[in-house]
Amino acid sequence: KNQVEQSPQSLIILEGKNCTLQCNYTVSPFSNLRWYKQDTGRGPVSLTIMTFSENTKSNGRYTATLDADTKQSSLHITASQLSDSASYICVVSSIAGGSYIPTFGRGTSLIVHP
Amino acid sequence: DAGVIQSPRHEVTEMGQEVTLRCKPISGHNSLFWYRQTMMRGLELLIYFNNNVPIDDSGMPEDRFSAKMPNASFSTLKIQPSEPRDSAVYFCASTRRAGGDNQPQHFGDGTRLSIL
Repeated sequence: KNQVEQSPQSLIILEGKNCTLQCNYTVSPFSNLRWYKQDTGRGPVSLTIMTFSENTKSNGRYTATLDADTKQSSLHITASQLSDSASYICVVSSIAGGSYIPTFGRGTSLIVHP
Repeated sequence: DAGVIQSPRHEVTEMGQEVTLRCKPISGHNSLFWYRQTMMRGLELLIYFNNNVPIDDSGMPEDRFSAKMPNASFSTLKIQPSEPRDSAVYFCASTRRAGGDNQPQHFGDGTRLSIL
């Protein structure tokens, strides 16, 4: 069964600090891994998309890594800002029979305090 | 540029009523997705379309749910009859299919549906 596990479930940090969110998956066959940021009351916003051959991808202060061997990904946030407070969702996609099959993590809720 | 537009933003109705959710994708995008998000189950893909054609509706929970995409700029998700367990936030997303699956999906801000 395809699964995506995210940790921690929630995280509180002080403004300016760095943090790392984890995503472990058992999805096969693997197509890509996406990280989304979801602000309260809004739709998810795409941060990064990584395919099998990509180890790291950055989007401003957000850097995602992918280890396809261990089936792990991380999202590192540098110099956190209050606006980083949100839920971060990891999604691993598979393609089967021509169909797109996403498996969603439950998200990590990040709170950045001043 | 206008993003994905969903309407209504909020819907409260009594069980048994028909509910219609609407989505206007980003112009030029040819793939459209309907998702549902609840506290219990997180995000779930319900159905998606490529070039207005439904590709996979295996995520649609029951026959009470139906989705249409009559043209490239409009899609509806209908629930008839609605039940309290359908209460959730329903998101629509669109993407440009060219380039394969590795394209960012752009989400609307969702419809928060409450069935009493």
